[in-house]
Amino acid sequence: ETAVFQTPNYHVTQVGNEVSFNCKQTLGHDTMYWYKQDSKKLLKIMFSYNNKQLIVNETVPRRFSPQSSDKAHLNLRIKSVEPEDSAVYLCASSLGTGVYEQYFGPGTRLTVL
Amino acid sequence: GDSVIQMQGQVTLSENDFLFINCTYSTTGYPTLFWYVQYSGEGPQLLLQVTTANNKGSSRGFEATYDKGTTSFHLQKTSVQEIDSAVYYCAMSNYAQGLTFGLGTRVSVFP
Repeated sequence: ETAVFQTPNYHVTQVGNEVSFNCKQTLGHDTMYWYKQDSKKLLKIMFSYNNKQLIVNETVPRRFSPQSSDKAHLNLRIKSVEPEDSAVYLCASSLGTGVYEQYFGPGTRLTVL
Repeated sequence: GDSVIQMQGQVTLSENDFLFINCTYSTTGYPTLFWYVQYSGEGPQLLLQVTTANNKGSSRGFEATYDKGTTSFHLQKTSVQEIDSAVYYCAMSNYAQGLTFGLGTRVSVFP
């Protein structure tokens, strides 16, 4: 049963546009994450957000920014997309940090033309 | 920094074959180790968690072992089935940093 919801499923856009992806979890978890999965299936952490504390992977370009209204929502905005941003973006949540299982959403596939 | 190395990119098996995937990790902290599985069109889901306190874990016929001396952990299944076809990731968690994933192993099982 899905408990981490992502919208949209797919998004196609052109270089330079701004996009925003939504993520909502209904598990009552305190921590949420965004991961990027490239065409070779490589998964990399982008952000983690716990109790209003944001931890950013230092390799993430500044055009990416997470946005949270409450602990159940963590959206991802990309200010001016580049071709290398084409990937699947996966949202996840966990009860806390460290040893806890992470629950993933189905992902949003972004294609930048 | 933290790293997880998963060497096997693709494994092709027949039903009832033995599956073995190996990962090694490097960290300065006290990590928790995981195996996640991703089926086509879905996000990854937890298959097994192996804490450093317990050397083994098992689920759905899969078994994970951990060797602190060689900082390696393995996933195995004695007899795979076609439904086990998926991408398997080893992963490491170090507190608030999120998961560090290996490159993933695509397992294809044919009848």
